[in-house]
Amino acid sequence: DTAVSQTPKYLVTQMGNDKSIKCEQNLGHDTMYWYKQDSKKFLKIMFSYNNKELIINETVPNRFSPKSPDKAHLNLHINSLELGDSAVYFCASSQLSNEQFFGPGTRLTVL
Amino acid sequence: AQSVTQPDIHITVSEGASLELRCNYSYGATPYLFWYVQSPGQGLQLLLKYFSGDTLVQGIKGFEAEFKRSQSSFNLRKPSVHWSDAAEYFCALSDYKLSFGAGTTVTVRA
Repeated sequence: DTAVSQTPKYLVTQMGNDKSIKCEQNLGHDTMYWYKQDSKKFLKIMFSYNNKELIINETVPNRFSPKSPDKAHLNLHINSLELGDSAVYFCASSQLSNEQFFGPGTRLTVL
Repeated sequence: AQSVTQPDIHITVSEGASLELRCNYSYGATPYLFWYVQSPGQGLQLLLKYFSGDTLVQGIKGFEAEFKRSQSSFNLRKPSVHWSDAAEYFCALSDYKLSFGAGTTVTVRA
C-alpha cells in the first residue's frame, strides 16, 4: 500500500512546454505539500494545502500552479517550462504539524 | 526566522564504526525536529522526530538523536554503521512548514 504516490516518476520535456505532476495520498491526512530538490540536493517547500485550501505559497514563479481537487490529491502544473525548472519534485502529506510522509519524487528534466 | 544548519557536507565512515551527524537550529520556541534519510534515487524516509519530553529519541534502523536546547542542537547518532546506511541525511525543523538543512552525505567504506 503506497502512502504517497506521484506520477510520473520521470519527466523529460522541452523548454516552453506545459506539464503536470500528480500526487495522491491514502493516509487520510489534511495537509499536502510540494517541495523542490535542486541539483545540490537542497530541499525547499513550494506550496502547502490544507483541506484543499492554499496555506503556504513560497516565492515560486507564477508559472507553477498547484491544484487540489480534494484533500487526497495535490497536483502541480507548470507552464512554459525553463531549464532552471529541472529538479526533483516531492509531494508530501501530514496531519497537522506531525511528521510529513514523502512520495518517491518526480525527476523533471527540461531540455 | 527559523533555520537549520548541518555543518558537515560529507562524512566518510568505516563499516562498523560509529556515526554522528550534526544539526543546529535557530528557532524562537521549542521546535519540532526531524531527521530524514534519502537513499540514492529515493524519496525521504523519516528516521526519528522530537516534539517534547525525553531529549534522547530512538528511531528506526538503530538511529538515535539527542535534543540539546542549550546548544540548539539535534545530533543524530548510530553506534555501528552498515553499508546500507550510505545515503543523504537531512535535519528538519517544523512550525507550519518544514525547513531543511542542506544535508550530509554519508559514505560507508568497507
